[in-house]
Amino acid sequence: QVQLVESGGGVVLPGRSLRLSCAASGFTFDTFGMHWVRQAPGKGLEWVAVTWYDGSNTYYADAVKGRFTISRDNSKNTLYLQIDSLRVEDTAVYYCARGGYSNGWRYFDYWGQGTLVTVSS
Amino acid sequence: SSELTQDPAVSVALGQTVRITCQGDSLRSWYATWYQQKPGQAPLLVIYGKNNRPSGIPDRFSGSTSGNTASLTITGAQAEDEADYYCNSRDSSGNHYVFGTGTKVTVL
Repeated sequence: QVQLVESGGGVVLPGRSLRLSCAASGFTFDTFGMHWVRQAPGKGLEWVAVTWYDGSNTYYADAVKGRFTISRDNSKNTLYLQIDSLRVEDTAVYYCARGGYSNGWRYFDYWGQGTLVTVSS
Repeated sequence: SSELTQDPAVSVALGQTVRITCQGDSLRSWYATWYQQKPGQAPLLVIYGKNNRPSGIPDRFSGSTSGNTASLTITGAQAEDEADYYCNSRDSSGNHYVFGTGTKVTVL
């Protein structure tokens, strides 16, 4: 069965960096695009970034472009999100999600349970 | 604009029908996908494409689109359908994604 397990969250000071990981299993990792989605406490979902199945292309939400870097290691079935210059407003649960596809449609068909990042002094 | 707008909250009597709408220009180009999220849980895909349900999603959930508005309909709402629902779509570039503002569904 498909499993996505995030790790790396915690409490960090503003301006510091953090790397989140998402360990994938139960499917052929290197044939799927992968996404990060975040949710601030009590707020809605916000798409953050996507990496194509082979890492050849990455795209970011305007709110995080330049500070966040999505990457993947297909040999380790692992997705990453490097977050630099953390801001208080980056406080959120960060989910990784698989990029499902069929008939040209794209969607997030499996999600991890999320990892909480709290940015506070 | 890549914004997707949803009503903040709707309520439905047990066993009745509720429709949740999502408005945005990108919906003229891309089908919406719909996600259900219960408190403390990760989102769950309920509708994708024209009107497709993943395995395990009850057939009381259905989707449709007209112009710049996508709809998720729950026909015969059950207590377990009480949750937040989010629409999602690609933006005009096709490479970015945007979520709707979310709708809280209360089953009375």
